[in-house]
Parts: sequence; C-alpha cells; structure tokens
Amino acid sequence: ILNVEQSPQSLHVQEGDSTNFTCSFPSSNFYALHWYRWETAKSPEALFVMTLNGDEKKKGRISATLNTKEGYSYLYIKGSQPEDSATYLCAEDTGRRALTFGSGTRLQVQP
Amino acid sequence: DAGVIQSPRHEVTEMGQEVTLRCKPISGHDYLFWYRQTMMRGLELLIYFNNNVPIDDSGMPEDRFSAKMPNASFSTLKIQPSEPRDSAVYFCASSWGRGQAFFGQGTRLTVV
Repeated sequence: ILNVEQSPQSLHVQEGDSTNFTCSFPSSNFYALHWYRWETAKSPEALFVMTLNGDEKKKGRISATLNTKEGYSYLYIKGSQPEDSATYLCAEDTGRRALTFGSGTRLQVQP
Repeated sequence: DAGVIQSPRHEVTEMGQEVTLRCKPISGHDYLFWYRQTMMRGLELLIYFNNNVPIDDSGMPEDRFSAKMPNASFSTLKIQPSEPRDSAVYFCASSWGRGQAFFGQGTRLTVV
C-alpha cells in the first residue's frame, strides 16, 4: 500500500445499526494513526490518535483499533444515530511527512 | 482559546491576482499545517511548520504558492498569480507535538 486508503467510500445504514470502516496505510515509517469526523460545512474534528500496535480507543459509541504490522485500522460505531452522519477520515503520521489523509468514508444514518 | 482562526472565510478573486490566506493557530501549539480540500483530491497537505520553521513543503503545487510563519501566532499562504484551478477550500490546522490536529473553519477560495 502506497497511500492511505479508506473503504467503503460511502455507507448508508439505518438508525440503530452498528457499522465499521477500514483505513489501510503503508506500515513502514509509521508514527501515528489519526481518525477525524467531518460534518458538512464544518471543519474536521479529531476522534482518536493511536500509536501502538494493538491500541484500542473508545469514545462513547465509537471505537477504533490499530494494527501497525499489517497496516490497518478499523473504526466502529455501535447503534448508529442520525447525528453520526458525517465523513470519517483517517490520517497517517509518518514522522517527517506529517498527516496524510485518506479520502474518507461518508456515513449516512437514516432515521 | 478560540481555536484556530482563519481569514477570510470566503475569497473571490480574478485570475492573475494575488491571494493571501491567514491563519492564527491555537496558542502554545508548535505545529502548523496548511491543507487544501478539493473534490478530486480530498484533503491534501501543502506544507507544515514546526516551531515556525517549514519542515515539509513537498505538497505545495508549484512556485505560485508560498507560505510563511513569521512568528508562533501567525501564518500566511500566498498564491501569486492565482488561477481558476486553485479554487478550493484551504484549511489551516495546529497541534501540540504530533498529537491531534485542530482545524480552522477554512477559507473558500474562488478564482474566476
């Protein structure tokens, strides 16, 4: 993997569904992995910063895991709510190159 | 703290004109980043500073773009001359160390 890649590009779920997205990143020169939540017409807002292989972080109904050896991170949302609708971005920090963002997963939660 | 402050919020200019975007980072933050958001490329890192020193400007598209950080509380991104393809939303972000980055509200630039 040469770039930070996210899948799926977009996701439509019903209120109450649990969902997860994937972020893949080059695993060489890894320093940290960031997750951001970006609502339309606003600026990205940090969710998590993870550095260690096996890291798990949680904030309310949202959690994330990190595997630096294979170069991926998962973001989970339990019991999605309409207010969770946003674009979720991951970004890799490789030290010198700072934050390189993926193209994001756009989540739409239907009431 | 009021967060990262960018100005102007919107800028419409004619092709060939000079454009200057401004950013005030969060006080105490030692990293400052300039990003550009477009439909085609998403969020691209243009340049970042550490303690006011440019560290990596490899994302700056071409010589028409320049960025400065004369002190810890102010940075500018200048485009001269501007072209229609520069139309985008430009974000400034700052962080303490390599922790989470805090983004400004962005400047929407339209070059006609």
